Amino acid sequence: SQKIEQNSEALNIQEGKTATLTCNYTNYSPAYLQWYRQDPGRGPVFLLLIRENEKEKRKERLKVTFDTTLKQSLFHITASQPADSATYLCALGNAGNMLTFGGGTRLMVKP
Amino acid sequence: SQTIHQWPATLVQPVGSPLSLECTVEGTSNPNLYWYRQAAGRGLQLLFYSIGIDQISSEVPQNLSASRPQDRQFILSSKKLLLSDSGFYLCAWSPGQRGWSEQYFGPGTRLTVT
Repeated sequence: SQKIEQNSEALNIQEGKTATLTCNYTNYSPAYLQWYRQDPGRGPVFLLLIRENEKEKRKERLKVTFDTTLKQSLFHITASQPADSATYLCALGNAGNMLTFGGGTRLMVKP
Repeated sequence: SQTIHQWPATLVQPVGSPLSLECTVEGTSNPNLYWYRQAAGRGLQLLFYSIGIDQISSEVPQNLSASRPQDRQFILSSKKLLLSDSGFYLCAWSPGQRGWSEQYFGPGTRLTVT
């Protein structure tokens, strides 16, 4: 069955450092991958989308890589700030615009 | 601009009682609509997906049902709630006719079944 793995342990980093979150998947050939941010008690907010034929996508301090050979995506936040503290979800999609979400990784940025 | 509304924000219901959660989208036409459930500390589980009025796909067997009586209205229902139905329910929409669009989520409903 399809499986998406994100580190269930919280990632704690110091303000100003680069945070790197990992999303691994098995038994899946996604056409695209998305990353979302979710704050406690709120709905997820879309951040970035990367297609299977793209290696890297950037938006301001965010960078996503997508390696379909390794079946892995890395999500980077450079110059992290305490306001970046949240849970980050990766989601894989195919035709029909249906997404399968990972369990999310909680990021804590300490001042 | 587009907005998505969900209500109620929180709900406490006894086991065996009925359920009706409503979601409406403004500022767009023919959206794809979704219902998800999120258990505490877990990822999102897709429950229902709709590409149009009265066109609804169920992703998991359960005692829940969904209806789409209007283009921008999506309703999640149950005749008899179970304890396991507790969770955070999220409605989302994405532009129709596009193969790989991002999804936009509502504020969610926190359901506690007692």
